[in-house]
Formats: sequence, C-alpha cells, structure tokens
Amino acid sequence: ETGVTQTPRHLVMGMTNKKSLKCEQHLGHNAMYWYKQSAKKPLELMFVYNFKEQTENNSVPSRFSPECPNSSHLFLHLHTLQPEDSALYLCASSQESGRVSGELFFGEGSRLTVL
Amino acid sequence: SQQGEEDPQALSIQEGENATMNCSYKTSINNLQWYRQNSGRGLVHLILIRSNEREKHSGRLRVTLDTSKKSSSLLITASRAADTASYFCATVIQGAQKLVFGQGTRLTINP
Repeated sequence: ETGVTQTPRHLVMGMTNKKSLKCEQHLGHNAMYWYKQSAKKPLELMFVYNFKEQTENNSVPSRFSPECPNSSHLFLHLHTLQPEDSALYLCASSQESGRVSGELFFGEGSRLTVL
Repeated sequence: SQQGEEDPQALSIQEGENATMNCSYKTSINNLQWYRQNSGRGLVHLILIRSNEREKHSGRLRVTLDTSKKSSSLLITASRAADTASYFCATVIQGAQKLVFGQGTRLTINP
C-alpha cells in the first residue's frame, strides 16, 4: 500500500474511445503529478498540480486532458489517442511543488494499451 | 539528452555480491534522489542526498555525491534476489523546480 492509488491498473482502448485514469492520494500532500513511462525512455513529466492549480504542462498533446478537483484527486482524461501513447502512466504526489525538495510518492501505475 | 544518465544500463550479479550503479548529470542540482521500480510497478523512493552532502547510508544502501564531477553512485551491499529491479536517479535542477529522471539501471540478482 503506497498511499497513492491509481485506477484502473490496466486499460485497453481504441483510438476513438474516451477513457479516464484516476489517481487518489491519502497522504495529505499538496502537489500531484502525471508521468509517462514508455519502453526504453526516461520517465516523462506530463503535468504538475500544486494546490489544485496546474503549474506545469510539459508540452503534452491536447488529447491528454488533466483534471484536479482537489488536492487528493487527479484525473487524466484520454480521447482519440494514438498507438504510440501506449505506456505506463504513473501518478505521484509530494508535500509541495514549486520547491521540490523532498521525495515523490508514486502509485502503481495504469498500463494503457491503445489499439 | 536527459539530465541524469545511469551506468550501466543493465547489471547482473550473484546473490551476496555488491552492486554499484552510477549516475551522471549535467547541470547544478539541489538534491539527487534514487528510486527503485519493480517490473511494471510504481517507483519507490530509496534515498535523497543534498548537494552539500557527500555520502549517505540507509541500511544496505550507500549513496555518494560528487558535485565537482556531477556524478553519484548507489551501492547495494550483500545483494538479495529481492533487490532485482530497475534503479533510477532523479535530480532536482536548481531553478527548474521539478524532478528529472534518468533512464535507469536494470539490476538482476541471480540466486
């Protein structure tokens, strides 16, 4: 139990589908993150939310739409994805963003396959 | 190219031996962190070393940091089969306010 819960753990979708990934943290943290992990590539930071406000969008295509209704929940809405978007999507949280001086707590990830 | 690069990309050793992984980075940092990832799972934080520290220990883990060479090493002593995982270094770049990960070292401990 990591304190950061991601659902679903596995998702298969077609290119025309709309789906969402959900992340919930039970650690009382103020910052939440989405990372993408593809084979043979470093972790790519996608989005950062600090106190529910988006503070980083790392040039992510608009077919990925994040939502952060409160400091404990983070969503990643997916629509008209491409096969190359297949990857492990990792959610993380930390005490604060802005000054990343501490550790990140990761969820177990959502394995996405786009057909 | 990415900020942190681990070396080697893959390492296979016998149980009980020590494992050493290295990380090099390019720009000034606030701190450097090491994480472990079991296959297909999330990352787990192992240890954080600040830019003004040179060495840190946590159980069987020993981390060193040489800011003049922009490099760090992670030593796992008396390795166990359960240590089989990928290990990533991550740096907090001064002024960038975000954590940047390397590509990782895949460590295999053979029983």
